[in-house]
Amino acid sequence: QVQLQESGPGLVKPSQTLSLTCTVSGGSISTGGYYWSWIRQHPGKGLEYIGYIYYSGSTYYNPSLKSRVTISIDTSKNQFSLKLSSVTAADTAVYYCARGLDIGGPWGQGTLVTVSS
Amino acid sequence: DIQMTQSPSSLSASVGDRVTITCRASQGIRNDLGWYQQKPGKAPKRLIYGASSLQSGVPSRFSGSGSGTEFTLTISSLQPEDFATYYCLQHNSYPITFGQGTRLEIK
Repeated sequence: QVQLQESGPGLVKPSQTLSLTCTVSGGSISTGGYYWSWIRQHPGKGLEYIGYIYYSGSTYYNPSLKSRVTISIDTSKNQFSLKLSSVTAADTAVYYCARGLDIGGPWGQGTLVTVSS
Repeated sequence: DIQMTQSPSSLSASVGDRVTITCRASQGIRNDLGWYQQKPGKAPKRLIYGASSLQSGVPSRFSGSGSGTEFTLTISSLQPEDFATYYCLQHNSYPITFGQGTRLEIK
């Protein structure tokens, strides 16, 4: 069965770029016509959709983050990635990757990224 | 953006109770709605898709209904493992948006 796993630094300094990777196992990222998404959850708060990428490379970004977000895909490594630039403390959150245009899943377990000097 | 208003924000109930959670969309979303359960420290897990279809492996005590702007998630007989936070999600229009969550606690 398909599984997703986020990885990346747990601590990022203000004004720097947050970089996370989601590794897909148990299936190919480029088959099945799936979309691959990033979602985040601020500590103790609700869920915020960041954006998606299709295996062809087409992307969608939430307008609230669009100026700072880049999502990319590496089909050779079965991974997709998130970059969020110019981070502030407000970007401290658990970041999840997930499969599906409707976020049906599976989801990764999530990774906490703290923005602090 | 489509706003998803979930109610109540928290709920206390006992094992065996029937519970209903409501989600209202700020505009019509057909049946492009899912319900998710999240336990502390875990990723959300989808229970219902297409507003009323049960995700594979999810117990039949969970059910969803609604279309357009008003949706409900019903748990027919609460079990101890059901105490968690529940979210609705609309994927009719981008950006995808979530309800603010309903925290279901043990009475």
